[in-house]
Amino acid sequence: SQQGEEDPQALSIQEGENATMNCSYKTSINNLQWYRQNSGRGLVHLILIRSNEREKHSGRLRVTLDTSKKSSSLLITASRAADTASYFCATDGYGNNRLAFGKGNQVVVIP
Amino acid sequence: EPEVTQTPSHQVTQMGQEVILRCVPISNHLYFYWYRQILGQKVEFLVSFYNNEISEKSEIFDDQFSVERPDGSNFTLKIRSTKLEDSAMYFCASQKPGLRANEKLFFGSGTQLSVL
Repeated sequence: SQQGEEDPQALSIQEGENATMNCSYKTSINNLQWYRQNSGRGLVHLILIRSNEREKHSGRLRVTLDTSKKSSSLLITASRAADTASYFCATDGYGNNRLAFGKGNQVVVIP
Repeated sequence: EPEVTQTPSHQVTQMGQEVILRCVPISNHLYFYWYRQILGQKVEFLVSFYNNEISEKSEIFDDQFSVERPDGSNFTLKIRSTKLEDSAMYFCASQKPGLRANEKLFFGSGTQLSVL
């Protein structure tokens, strides 16, 4: 089954620095998505990258996808205190109707 | 931006009791989902719903669980006889029509279910 798996990192960075987190998965995918979750809140969609795309940008976010390595990375540039959250990757696979989420990366941006 | 709304935000119940978690998806969306997140663990898929029927369910979604879209706006998750291990944050999500692979999910802010 699909399985998004982030590197089990807890990042603590200074405001203005970049934050990078990684995700790996096991089988073929339609797309890979990144979500943010503030403490005790719902999941907010950040970016979706399709399986035939290699890189995508959205504001300060940059996502890469390497389907040969079954991995993705999320880069947040010029981080802000408001970026403090957990970040999850989720894969949308073929032949099913579900997202498979990873465990999440906790990012703390220190002002 | 339109939102998925969930009620209640917190639900406390006794083991063995029935609970109904409510969701109002975004109005022009056609695909509906329930996910849950046990504290400190992954977000897990429970069920997807399309065209008034379940299109897929996970192994978690056993006979104690059911979903319903009783009218044109609500989407509910019922747990018939709650267990301690059902304690989790339950998220509803909806997705608009189109090529599903290209569409993101819109999540509600969740219902925290505590089973005592």
